[in-house]
Amino acid sequence: EAQVTQNPRYLITVTGKKLTVTCSQNMNHEYMSWYRQDPGLGLRQIYYSMNVEVTDKGDVPEGYKVSRKEKRNFPLILESPSPNQTSLYFCASRSADRYYEQYFGPGTRLTVT
Amino acid sequence: AQKVTQAQTEISVVEKEDVTLDCVYETRDTTYYLFWYKQPPSGELVFLIRRNSFDEQNEISGRYSWNFQKSTSSFNFTITASQVVDSAVYFCALISGDFQGGSEKLVFGKGTKLTVNP
Repeated sequence: EAQVTQNPRYLITVTGKKLTVTCSQNMNHEYMSWYRQDPGLGLRQIYYSMNVEVTDKGDVPEGYKVSRKEKRNFPLILESPSPNQTSLYFCASRSADRYYEQYFGPGTRLTVT
Repeated sequence: AQKVTQAQTEISVVEKEDVTLDCVYETRDTTYYLFWYKQPPSGELVFLIRRNSFDEQNEISGRYSWNFQKSTSSFNFTITASQVVDSAVYFCALISGDFQGGSEKLVFGKGTKLTVNP
């Protein structure tokens, strides 16, 4: 089954404690991205990757890092989380040519206290 | 730049009423795709429909219908005879570009929260 998985699904953490949210897809997609969703703001892109070792900033990259060492994985790293990063995070993937078929992960609810 | 506007922040209706969710988009590209997603209280994004810029045919799927009008840059979503299970946040989204570099991203509206009361 084609899918994008994220872990953890829920996380409560404290300010400053480094964390990683993992994202994995089994469709051999080149393009992967991270979005955050906040009430009244919709989904905004944090980072994206067009292929292994190719990443770039989206609209709201501050406070986040990503890496793409393998095609299937695209982890989101918060080196020093702050309360304003409390949000619902979605990972998404698509193939390079079928840009109209976006696959979303189930979301990760992060709370930073 | 691409932009999607969902002017209705929240809508509340009584079951069996019809309801239309508005979506207005902006793009200078001639090739683009429009989407609607549903986000139930559980939080996941559920894909509802995709439309490309070269296909202005309206679509109906059960109680759901979509009206795509390029002349007004709108892609509105109507739920007929709404039900309590339709309560969710609905997002309209757009992806556009020449699709050569492959970096095009999905741009979302801010969402419309629909509450259907029994």
